[in-house]
Amino acid sequence: QQNVQQSPESLIVPEGARTSLNCTFSDSASQYFWWYRQHSGKAPKALMSIFSNGEKEEGRFTIHLNKASLHFSLHIRDSQPSDSALYLCAVSMSYQGGRALIFGTGTTVSVSP
Amino acid sequence: ETAVFQTPNYHVTQVGNEVSFNCKQTLGHDTMYWYKQDSKKLLKIMFSYNNKQLIVNETVPRRFSPQSSDKAHLNLRIKSVEPEDSAVYLCASSGWGGANTEVFFGKGTRLTVV
Repeated sequence: QQNVQQSPESLIVPEGARTSLNCTFSDSASQYFWWYRQHSGKAPKALMSIFSNGEKEEGRFTIHLNKASLHFSLHIRDSQPSDSALYLCAVSMSYQGGRALIFGTGTTVSVSP
Repeated sequence: ETAVFQTPNYHVTQVGNEVSFNCKQTLGHDTMYWYKQDSKKLLKIMFSYNNKQLIVNETVPRRFSPQSSDKAHLNLRIKSVEPEDSAVYLCASSGWGGANTEVFFGKGTRLTVV
């Protein structure tokens, strides 16, 4: 059974700083890897995703995947107060004959002005 | 901006009551889901459903059941709620595709069982 864990559980980041969020997964057959962001009281929304090993950059966000290490990460540069949110990593995989996103435990990010 | 709509936003009920939450998506997606987000913000899948099959997470108690009238609607019914059912219930949808298909979420229904 897929087990997805995130670290750290929470962090406080000065505005303008770079921050890194980590996600580990247990099933080596996992196929696609996502980061979602959920502002307080809002719907979770996809930030970005990656399929193959390596890095992918979109604006201030970079996702890095290492399948052999069962690890992927999200890096945010030039953090803004609007980045304060719950960050959820997720793994897309076959699930009981269908497909589902299995989410990690979440990292709460607070960006201090 | 949200294209997955859930009602109500909040619901407070007593132990043993039956509740039903509504979900509608306007994205034309084929698959809909219900997730439970607990007090620690952990999101766990409960059901996924398209016009061909219902997939149930085997850990979901039998008092939970999804109800669909068409592919744009997937409601959630809970018979005889219990205190541990207090949580935010998130509805979601995705198009037909592979693992790279994005899942879109609603804002959730917060259930409090007293």
